[in-house]
Amino acid sequence: DAGVTQSPTHLIKTRGQQVTLRCSPKSGHDTVSWYQQALGQGPQFIFQYYEEEERQRGNFPDRFSGHQFPNYSSELNVNALLLGDSALYLCASSLGGGSGTEAFFGQGTRLTVV
Amino acid sequence: AQKVTQAQTEISVVEKEDVTLDCVYETRDTTYYLFWYKQPPSGELVFLIRRNSFDEQNEISGRYSWNFQKSTSSFNFTITASQVVDSAVYFCALSEAGYSTLTFGKGTMLLVSP
Repeated sequence: DAGVTQSPTHLIKTRGQQVTLRCSPKSGHDTVSWYQQALGQGPQFIFQYYEEEERQRGNFPDRFSGHQFPNYSSELNVNALLLGDSALYLCASSLGGGSGTEAFFGQGTRLTVV
Repeated sequence: AQKVTQAQTEISVVEKEDVTLDCVYETRDTTYYLFWYKQPPSGELVFLIRRNSFDEQNEISGRYSWNFQKSTSSFNFTITASQVVDSAVYFCALSEAGYSTLTFGKGTMLLVSP
């Protein structure tokens, strides 16, 4: 049973560029959440998708957008990249997304903006 | 708004020592969930435990134990007889009623030397 898979594992982008990160949830899971983890910090919630709609959003600018596909996989898009967007981006999947639901995390995508 | 504080940035112990990782949380909700995750160098967050706010029973799982005290808003994690493989960053997290999104602390890096 494959867990949460993310791609790519690493990438380097230039300021002002756009980037798309991808996530395939754990088999049977229908909810995908994205988190940003800066170096030395805890993960911060970006947004959550359920049934192809953004259900909840954290305190991130509109440059961060996402999408969920009918097969529950998800993309995170970041436009007009800033140096401060350099971080580990983690995808988490869960079933239903209700209170206290256990979230399973992928290994993350390490984004470096230069 | 909810908040999780892990005051210990880094802890170094020698193998076989016991170690306790502290976690203090803030929330206005009466129903909430607390979690501990382990993050090895690979980056993936590994789920360790979940507790709901109505269950203050301490829990033991092998060498791991958790002490939940609502009176002090703390959810501390103890590793007994630590091993080198326990070296990782440990995160405490909180989710409130109705949501599965997590608010993380900044993490505690545990270094266990032989």
